[in-house]
Amino acid sequence: GQQVMQIPQYQHVQEGEDFTTYCNSSTTLSNIQWYKQRPGGHPVFLIQLVKSGEVKKQKRLTFQFGEAKKNSSLHITATQTTDVGTYFCAGPTGANNLFFGTGTRLTVIP
Amino acid sequence: SAVISQKPSRDICQRGTSLTIQCQVDSQVTMMFWYRQQPGQSLTLIATANQGSEATYESGFVIDKFPISRPNLTFSTLTVSNMSPEDSSIYLCSGRVDTQYFGPGTRLTVL
Repeated sequence: GQQVMQIPQYQHVQEGEDFTTYCNSSTTLSNIQWYKQRPGGHPVFLIQLVKSGEVKKQKRLTFQFGEAKKNSSLHITATQTTDVGTYFCAGPTGANNLFFGTGTRLTVIP
Repeated sequence: SAVISQKPSRDICQRGTSLTIQCQVDSQVTMMFWYRQQPGQSLTLIATANQGSEATYESGFVIDKFPISRPNLTFSTLTVSNMSPEDSSIYLCSGRVDTQYFGPGTRLTVL
């Protein structure tokens, strides 16, 4: 079945350091989405990437979709304490629903 | 966009009982979903709630255990039936408009 793995599972960074999480799918994806879940909260949509090799930026966040459309990355520059949470990638299934990756939990040390 | 509310926000239930979780969206959504999330884990899709027809369940989830209703485009319920401690989890309702939105979740503890 479809698998979407993320690495690392956990990441602790000092405030101001950069952070990257990688997402790898066992199948080619038509698009990939990223969500952020704050501790005790629910997932919140961040962005969707559709094109092979696409790169999108949101302030300090840079999202990239791989050329083969099977992997993606999220890079945060100069992390802040507000970046704390778990970041999930998610890809659509053939049944038109979303399959979520394993997630990367980010801790930012002030 | 869509704002999704869920009731109850949390509950503690006895083994063998059932709990119905309600999900209300403030606007019409094309699709509604129910997910389960164990603490510290990813989201697992339980089923897609279909308006006016039976829900579409994912592997490992069955209608007898998790009956779902969706009478209209803005409301759905999920029942967790004959509960056991293994059902303790966070249950999340989700709706899709342009992107996918999530409710705040229902934290269920089964004793």
